[in-house]
Amino acid sequence: SAVISQKPSRDICQRGTSLTIQCQVDSQVTMMFWYRQQPGQSLTLIATANQGSEATYESGFVIDKFPISRPNLTFSTLTVSNMSPEDSSIYLCSVEDRGRVSGSYGYTFGSGTRLTVV
Amino acid sequence: GDSVTQMEGPVTLSEEAFLTINCTYTATGYPSLFWYVQYPGEGLQLLLKATKADDKGSNKGFEATYRKETTSFHLEKGSVQVSDSAVYFCALTNTGGFKTIFGAGTRLFVKA
Repeated sequence: SAVISQKPSRDICQRGTSLTIQCQVDSQVTMMFWYRQQPGQSLTLIATANQGSEATYESGFVIDKFPISRPNLTFSTLTVSNMSPEDSSIYLCSVEDRGRVSGSYGYTFGSGTRLTVV
Repeated sequence: GDSVTQMEGPVTLSEEAFLTINCTYTATGYPSLFWYVQYPGEGLQLLLKATKADDKGSNKGFEATYRKETTSFHLEKGSVQVSDSAVYFCALTNTGGFKTIFGAGTRLFVKA
């Protein structure tokens, strides 16, 4: 199965600043996904990132707030811009893991970035 | 739209007890169903999956059967261990899609 390296693992940031989260995958993947997990909540998809095109954002998320880069098939970044305390969450990247699930859908997740905005 | 409903936690059990975490879903078509586990301080890991009706997914002593007639995918384990303490998420991915819908998660505490 794919292995994802996500960093930073955690950060404490001042409101109004921005943080960029990086995900590196050990194999080439077409789509990468960014999720937010607010305290005590489930996961919410922020956007889907394809290499060479703009990311597709879910309802309630906009590019100005969460710009995403996808420069190649193994790497993506998510930036949380102009942060406020409401942005305090765990952010996770994910890729489809077709090898492990033998052609059906399954996903591998990064270890997450725990963001606290003060 | 598609949705996943799972039992609220936390669930607290003693070691070696039987575990059931209920999960039901609403979806058009023929979704694939998953259980993910999130250990403290870590990201999500795929625990098991089932891709069609009556399939049984199993891993690490956990199992779940895809029941189309009851739209359910309940997670079970015959004898839990302290190391099973984690948050468990039921999820689905619909036919031809790539977006995964997650349940709210169920936190499990296992006492020694």
